[in-house]
Amino acid sequence: GAVVSQHPSRVICKSGTSVKIECRSLDFQATTMFWYRQFPKQSLMLMATSNEGSKATYEQGVEKDKFLINHASLTLSTLTVTSAHPEDSSFYICSARDHTGPGPYEQYFGPGTRLTVT
Amino acid sequence: SQQGEEDPQALSIQEGENATMNCSYKTSINNLQWYRQNSGRGLVHLILIRSNEREKHSGRLRVTLDTSKKSSSLLITASRAADTASYFCASKGGKLIFGQGTELSVKP
Repeated sequence: GAVVSQHPSRVICKSGTSVKIECRSLDFQATTMFWYRQFPKQSLMLMATSNEGSKATYEQGVEKDKFLINHASLTLSTLTVTSAHPEDSSFYICSARDHTGPGPYEQYFGPGTRLTVT
Repeated sequence: SQQGEEDPQALSIQEGENATMNCSYKTSINNLQWYRQNSGRGLVHLILIRSNEREKHSGRLRVTLDTSKKSSSLLITASRAADTASYFCASKGGKLIFGQGTELSVKP
């Protein structure tokens, strides 16, 4: 199956700093990527939908100026958490949709990035 | 907002028993998918059932879909300790929205 990678897998940063998380589709082109966050013992919450070459679409309640998403190529989307606070500590998971073939177009998930803000 | 609600939220069984998890969703869907997540790890896709299908099997997994009730169930037969994980349903209209998940614990 298709592979999606995330980097880094774990990151610790200080309050007020920014951190960038990369999501790559390794063996397919993804015109659409999705970013989720997951708090402990909870489900995945969709944060935003990222389309290659255009602005991301954010879900209600997600601050677009705080969570900057860039999808500059068909294999790479980045999520930058700006001016991070301890409450931003979470597990961030990306997924990429493979649009080849007749469908259904499955989403493949990355392994996640554990962000801890101290 | 969450699309799906799952029950039970937590399920503890003995190895060899069957585990049944249910999921309800709110809006029309194209398909429904079940995922598994080991603690602190990424998601593993288990099975997809299309909106025009009623039942699907894959190994020890059996999924049903009732679009009239907007519900789905996942049955894991002859459970193993390695099945211990959280299981999520995710419904797809235009984007994949996850339910709350069921935390399954299989005791050896």
